[in-house]
This record gives sequence, C-alpha cells and structure tokens, in this order.
Amino acid sequence: AIQMTQSPSSLSASVGDRVTITCRASQGIRTDLGWYQQKPGRAPKLLIYGASTLQTGVPSRFSGSGSGTSFTLTISSLQPEDFATYYCLQDYNYPRTFGQGTKVEIK
Amino acid sequence: EVQLVESGGGLVQPGGSLRLSCTASGFIFSNYWMTWVRQAPGKGLEWVANIREDGGLNYYVDSVKGRFTISRDNAKRSLYLQMNGLRVEDTAVYFCARDPSYYDDDSGYYYDAFDIWGQGTLVTVSS
Repeated sequence: AIQMTQSPSSLSASVGDRVTITCRASQGIRTDLGWYQQKPGRAPKLLIYGASTLQTGVPSRFSGSGSGTSFTLTISSLQPEDFATYYCLQDYNYPRTFGQGTKVEIK
Repeated sequence: EVQLVESGGGLVQPGGSLRLSCTASGFIFSNYWMTWVRQAPGKGLEWVANIREDGGLNYYVDSVKGRFTISRDNAKRSLYLQMNGLRVEDTAVYFCARDPSYYDDDSGYYYDAFDIWGQGTLVTVSS
C-alpha cells in the first residue's frame, strides 16, 4: 500500500497567518490526491481533489499543489474556523490511504 | 437536502458480527460510487472499502478482506457494510461517503472526491 506522510503532525498559528501542510507519497501518484478538513466530533469535509481543484463552496484561501510524490495544502490567511485537523488521501490505487493528519491549533 | 445517515453501530464481542447501513436522500444514489471510512478513537482516518454505482465492483483495505462485505441496494438508496469476525482493532466510528469520481478533461483521470459524508456510527468491539 502507498504510504502517505504528512508534515508537520501539528502546528500552532495565528489568525491571518499563511499555513502550509505537506504530504508525501511513498511512490508517484500523479495528481491523484485530495485534502480533507475535520473538526472534532464531525465528519470530514472535502477541500480539494485532483491535487489542486477546489471543491465547490470551499473558500479561495485554500489551495493545493503538487504532483508525483510531493503535495502541499496552503491556507493563505488562516481564519478562526480553519482550526482543525487536515488529511491528505491518495486515490491513485487501492487501497486508498490517508496521511496521518496535521492538527492546526491556535497560537 | 442531500444527506447520508448511518445506522447499525453498537457494542459487539470479539468474533461477533454487525451490519451497518447508510441511507441516502436528496440525490440519485445509483449514480455514485460509495465508500466506507473509519476512525478509531483519537486516531486518524482509514479508508475501508468502496463499491461501484451498480454494485458490480468493490475494493477493500487488506485488514478487512475476507471479514467485511460492502454492498448496496439502489432501489432502497442504501449502502451496507456487513462486518464479521470483528476484532478489538475494528473499534471505530464508521462513516459512509459519496464519491462523484470526477473526470478531469485535461488529464483524462478520474479523481475520488468524497463530497457528502454521513454523521458516523460507532462500532465498539469489546468483551
């Protein structure tokens, strides 16, 4: 199975900060990658698919980039509602695999 | 309203069985791949299984192969996960999710995109 490794595992940031989360795949996965946001006690929410396509309704401060084995999720200006855990997911092959998550906390 | 509602979770002893259901409303269920994802207490997300629109193709994570069976009934707009031989490590909240499987014209690829999720149902395996 493809291993997805996110970094950092957690970070502290302030409202208005630019935040970048990295996801690395153990082998090339083209652009077959999605990003999800999860808040405590809630179901995950789709942010980005195909590495860079923003899901309808997701604020434009979220963006994704990358291909092959290295990907990034960027939040251009962190908002209070963005404090959550973020997961990448590869859909290049089966089984699908998530990264371990990155928790974004308030500084 | 587009919605998925899971049910069927509960407490079961190791080796026991449970059947989860996920009922869809507000969209044409038969047009979508469907997926199960689980999350152990305090842990990250784990993809479990998915099934094609017509139910004729499915995939599983290795840890549940031979024990879990995903199925669907499009007439009832329902997705199922039959879980047999349950283990303590299967304890988790189980989410169902819709997958439009978007096609990208530029790349020619299909992308998973779990755009609608249920609220989750807790399965606890314990003696």
